[in-house]
Amino acid sequence: AQTVTQSQPEMSVQEAETVTLSCTYDTSESDYYLFWYKQPPSRQMILVIRQEAYKQQNATENRFSVNFQKAAKSFSLKISDSQLGDAAMYFCAYTSGTYKYIFGTGTRLKVLA
Amino acid sequence: EPEVTQTPSHQVTQMGQEVILRCVPISNHLYFYWYRQILGQKVEFLVSFYNNEISEKSEIFDDQFSVERPDGSNFTLKIRSTKLEDSAMYFCASSELRGGGETQYFGPGTRLLVL
Repeated sequence: AQTVTQSQPEMSVQEAETVTLSCTYDTSESDYYLFWYKQPPSRQMILVIRQEAYKQQNATENRFSVNFQKAAKSFSLKISDSQLGDAAMYFCAYTSGTYKYIFGTGTRLKVLA
Repeated sequence: EPEVTQTPSHQVTQMGQEVILRCVPISNHLYFYWYRQILGQKVEFLVSFYNNEISEKSEIFDDQFSVERPDGSNFTLKIRSTKLEDSAMYFCASSELRGGGETQYFGPGTRLLVL
């Protein structure tokens, strides 16, 4: 069965610094998709970044980038130049193309001024 | 930017009561989903819905649960006889297309507390 693990329940970063959130997953599929979602307090989850497993190039969205290591089944999120608005719960998610996403337990990111 | 909305944001109910959680998906989306997150645990898939039918459901989604699209805009999750263990945050999501890693857009959630 596919699983997603986020081993860091909480992380802190100084404003303007860089932080990396880790995510590992387990699957026997060769074709799948990985996502990072951000959930600010009392707000909906919004997509931060998306990675197709068949693409070797790591996805990047402005200050957000991933380090996708397919062989190691690792999908970490790097946030550069952290801002106060980045404070949120971050969820890693996986899908192999069926309807459902499989989520990790989330990492709460605190940004310190 | 279009958003998925959910009502109510919080609901408190007595064990054994029926609850209906409501969602308004993004208007041009065709696929709808419910997930739940018990406090401190993972977000778990419950059900997906397309063309007025359940497309896929998890083992959590037993006979106590049902989904419906009663009109052109709402998508509801009904729990017939709530149990203490149904206390959780319930998220609705929608996507324009099916599968293939299609991005799902999530609502803010309904926090359900069963007493």
